[in-house]
Amino acid sequence: KQEVTQIPAALSVPEGENLVLNCSFTDSAIYNLQWFRQDPGKGLTSLLLIQSSQREQTSGRLNASLDKSSGRSTLYIAASQPGDSATYLCAVKGFRETSGSRLTFGEGTQLTVNP
Amino acid sequence: EPEVTQTPSHQVTQMGQEVILRCVPISNHLYFYWYRQILGQKVEFLVSFYNNEISEKSEIFDDQFSVERPDGSNFTLKIRSTKLEDSAMYFCASSKTGSSTGELFFGEGSRLTVL
Repeated sequence: KQEVTQIPAALSVPEGENLVLNCSFTDSAIYNLQWFRQDPGKGLTSLLLIQSSQREQTSGRLNASLDKSSGRSTLYIAASQPGDSATYLCAVKGFRETSGSRLTFGEGTQLTVNP
Repeated sequence: EPEVTQTPSHQVTQMGQEVILRCVPISNHLYFYWYRQILGQKVEFLVSFYNNEISEKSEIFDDQFSVERPDGSNFTLKIRSTKLEDSAMYFCASSKTGSSTGELFFGEGSRLTVL
């Protein structure tokens, strides 16, 4: 059964700092990995999707990497802003034959960027 | 930008009552999902739906739950006899494909409170 863990659980940084959020998963047989942002009481906003054959994806100030063999992904946020404050969720999609085609989510990292 | 819409945003019901949560997926998407998030816990997969049938369901999705696509635009989740432990945020999601490129887009959620 796929297990996804995110470290740290919470992070508080001053504005302008570069930061890294970590995600690890136990079963490397994945289709893809998706990073989401969740604001309090709101839905999930997709940030980046990395296919299993890819090593990284970039969108603006965000860069996500994937090391499937070691079961790890990182989300790098450059020049953080107060508007980046949210919970960041990592989710992996497994193969149907093993863990199914469902997304398995981590607990999230709650990020606070202080002005 | 196309988005997944969900109604109602919040529903309060008495234990044992039936509840229907509604979703309008993105129009050209073919795969539909329901996930839920109990307060303070991880987002959990409930069910996926493709080609007018359930393609996968989790252990949570028991006989009390059902899904339907009654017309070309709506996708519903019905809980027949709600329990206290069904209180959660329910998220609908859709994707264009089920493959490794299938990015999931989520709605804002329907908060269900069972009294």
